[in-house]
Amino acid sequence: EIVMTQSPDTLSVSPGERATLSCRSSQSVGSNLAWYQQKPGQAPRLLIYDASTRATGIPARFSGSGSGTEFTLTISSLQSEDFAVYCCQQYGDWPFTFGPGTKVHTK
Amino acid sequence: EVLLVESGGGLVQPGGSLRLSCAASGFTFSTSSMHWLRQAPGKGLESVSAINGNGDRTYYANSLKGRFTVSRDNSKNTLYLQMGSLRAEDMAIYYCARWYNYGSGSHGLDLWGQGTLVTVSS
Repeated sequence: EIVMTQSPDTLSVSPGERATLSCRSSQSVGSNLAWYQQKPGQAPRLLIYDASTRATGIPARFSGSGSGTEFTLTISSLQSEDFAVYCCQQYGDWPFTFGPGTKVHTK
Repeated sequence: EVLLVESGGGLVQPGGSLRLSCAASGFTFSTSSMHWLRQAPGKGLESVSAINGNGDRTYYANSLKGRFTVSRDNSKNTLYLQMGSLRAEDMAIYYCARWYNYGSGSHGLDLWGQGTLVTVSS
């Protein structure tokens, strides 16, 4: 089973600032990597698939990069609605596995 | 409206069984692969099971050891998860989600239900 790790665990950011989140896989997943946003009491929301493609309706301030074992989600200018938990998911091999998440909160 | 609605969660004793349902609407259910995922309180997401559109291919998390069975009824636009021999560690919010095919091998879990809570306790 592919193990996903994320860093940092938490990130304190002021509105308008840039946030950079990292995700690593224990073995190569190619570009089979997605990012999800989850707010308290809500289901996850797909942000990015194929490591760098924004899902439908996702603002351009969200961008993804990377391939193989190292991936990055960047939020270029944080808005108030972006404070949430972000997790990565690999779908290169079953079982699909998720990282533990990075909580982005306001500084 | 494109929607997934889970039901069937609740309180069950250790060793008991439960069947979850996920009703789909607003899209062509029969051609959509579907997933079950879960999230224990305060924990991350975990893939539970997946099934292809016509139901002839199923996938399960290694940890389930045959206790869960995924199925679907395309005539009713409904996905199911039959859970047995439930344990305390199965307690979680269970979500169904659509595995959307964007084409050219691109996929993502683009549509999620609101989740249904399964509590395992005596």
